[in-house]
Amino acid sequence: DAKTTQPPSMDCAEGRAANLPCNHSTISGNEYVYWYRQIHSQGPQYIIHGLKNNETNEMASLIITEDRKSSTLILPHATLRDTAVYYCIVRAPGPNTDKLIFGTGTRLQVFP
Amino acid sequence: GAVVSQHPSWVICKSGTSVKIECRSLDFQATTMFWYRQFPKQSLMLMATSNEGSKATYEQGVEKDKFLINHASLTLSTLTVTSAHPEDSSFYICSAGGLSGGNTIYFGEGSWLTVV
Repeated sequence: DAKTTQPPSMDCAEGRAANLPCNHSTISGNEYVYWYRQIHSQGPQYIIHGLKNNETNEMASLIITEDRKSSTLILPHATLRDTAVYYCIVRAPGPNTDKLIFGTGTRLQVFP
Repeated sequence: GAVVSQHPSWVICKSGTSVKIECRSLDFQATTMFWYRQFPKQSLMLMATSNEGSKATYEQGVEKDKFLINHASLTLSTLTVTSAHPEDSSFYICSAGGLSGGNTIYFGEGSWLTVV
């Protein structure tokens, strides 16, 4: 799987949009971009994933650049409960790619 | 979404004893599950791949005789930490999913192990 690069930490005011960037310049054509987050002392929680089109669900939006070398996870109205470590992972579909390798992620701190 | 559950959530054991952690896929069958370990303020580190009906595959540097993995059914994998020592104290997390789970990988809640 391709490697990702994320800023180590970010701050966001409650109620504002949190935009978390991820670089994946060596991503392959069939690799998806997945986002997970880990709230303190819990297992990682799936957020969203995409291939080339922008995606939105009830939790977040995912914006993938046209060249697919980077993406941004957007939490439209951050709350204190969104404070967590956010991981961006690229992964190809298939039975041999369920083994997710985690980088260091971005520690998002939402403040009142 | 698919649910993966771990038990126990936390456990305290004495040095030299063994402790078992269970990982269950609740609404799908998982031929493959994964075990991770996480130390405080660090990222998740993959320990091994649990394969239903066959031997687990361990990552480099992980002692297979110390971390016994059994995947006897399509919904259950167990991790047994044998002869536990204080340095084995950690947060252990399992995952499952892939094609059988809608191609998304889901994680359990994690299990805190403290060895005293």
